[in-house]
Order: sequence, then structure tokens, then C-alpha cells
Amino acid sequence: SQTIHQWPATLVQPVGSPLSLECTVEGTSNPNLYWYRQAAGRGLQLLFYSVGIGQISSEVPQNLSASRPQDRQFILSSKKLLLSDSGFYLCAWTHDGVNTEAFFGQGTRLTVV
Amino acid sequence: AQSVTQLDSQVPVFEEAPVELRCNYSSSVSVYLFWYVQYPNQGLQLLLKYLSGSTLVESINGFEAEFNKSQTSFHLRKPSVHISDTAEYFCAVKAAGSARQLTFGSGTQLTVLP
Repeated sequence: SQTIHQWPATLVQPVGSPLSLECTVEGTSNPNLYWYRQAAGRGLQLLFYSVGIGQISSEVPQNLSASRPQDRQFILSSKKLLLSDSGFYLCAWTHDGVNTEAFFGQGTRLTVV
Repeated sequence: AQSVTQLDSQVPVFEEAPVELRCNYSSSVSVYLFWYVQYPNQGLQLLLKYLSGSTLVESINGFEAEFNKSQTSFHLRKPSVHISDTAEYFCAVKAAGSARQLTFGSGTQLTVLP
């Protein structure tokens, strides 16, 4: 069966520090991968999605970047965090060609102080 | 492009009462529709989905949703809620066939009161 791992679960970082959040998927190949952000009291904002290795689409220009170095690995990064980067970050995957739902990781609670 | 509107940001309801969470979507092509549930500090879990066929879909825990193409709606209902149903609920839409991403509504916080 397919599983998705996302870590860390919580993170407190000072303003100006770098960020690296990692997401890996097991049990499937060539998934579509997504990073969402959920700010307090708001819905889900799609940040990045990837349909293959090295292929990244950015939905919202901001202080973050994403990379996909391997088929089932998706990384969210920042060189210098801002206070506004605080939020709940969710990784998700879908399988192209099969119109099923997205499967989500457990999320990372990021607090920038 | 698709869009989703969840008109109610918060819905308080007493235990064992019925509830309806509203979802309307906009799309120029055929869509697939989903409801997700999120418990505090967790990821989203699929509650139910409409892909094709019967317009009424049900979940294993008593929720149901009906796809209404003419009204572009996919409202979520439950005839009798429990305290454990307290969570945030997200409606999502995906263009059938070619799209690769889900578009989510802003969410509805369902709070079941004793």
C-alpha cells in the first residue's frame, strides 16, 4: 500500500534562518506531488506541484522554493524565513492517469519567531 | 480553471441534530468532487468522492453528499452528528481527465455541541 511521510512534525525557526521540509512517498511510482500551506483560519493554498523529477510548478511567488531530486521525494525550502512563513505545511500526492483523490501527509507545524 | 466556495466558515450544531455543509463549484469542464476532513494538527483524510455514476455518495461514518450539476453544488449532509464529528471539512474539485491538481475551498469548521 502507498504511504506518505512528512517531517518534521513541528518546527520553530528564527526569522532569517533557512528551511528544509521533506516529503517522501512509498508504494507508488511517478506520483504527482504537492506542497500546500494552511494559515490559521484559512483554507489550503497550493504552493508548488511537480509531475516528475526536476519539474516544479509554482503557484504563488513567495519566499519559498521546492525541489524534486528523486521520483518520490519532494522538498520545500527557504533561504531566509519570514514571520509570514508560519503555518501548517502539507505534502500530498496523486497518481496521474487515475482520477483518484489526493493523499496527504500528517503536516508540519512551522512557527517562525 | 476551477474554483470552490464554501459559504459557511463555522457551523455549530448540537449533538444528534442534522447538519449540512455547503459547497459550490465553478468549472467550464466536467469535474470530480471530494470532501475531506481534518482533525486538529493532522493532515486531510478523504471523506467521500464523486467521480461518476450515482449523484449521491456516502461515507462509512454516515455522511453523504449529492452532486447537483445544474446548481453546481456538492453539499455534505449527516442526519445525526456526534461529538467526534467536530473537525474542519474541505470541499475540493478536480477537472476530469486532464487536470493534475485539486482546488480546495476555504473550509468549514463543524463544531458539535453536547
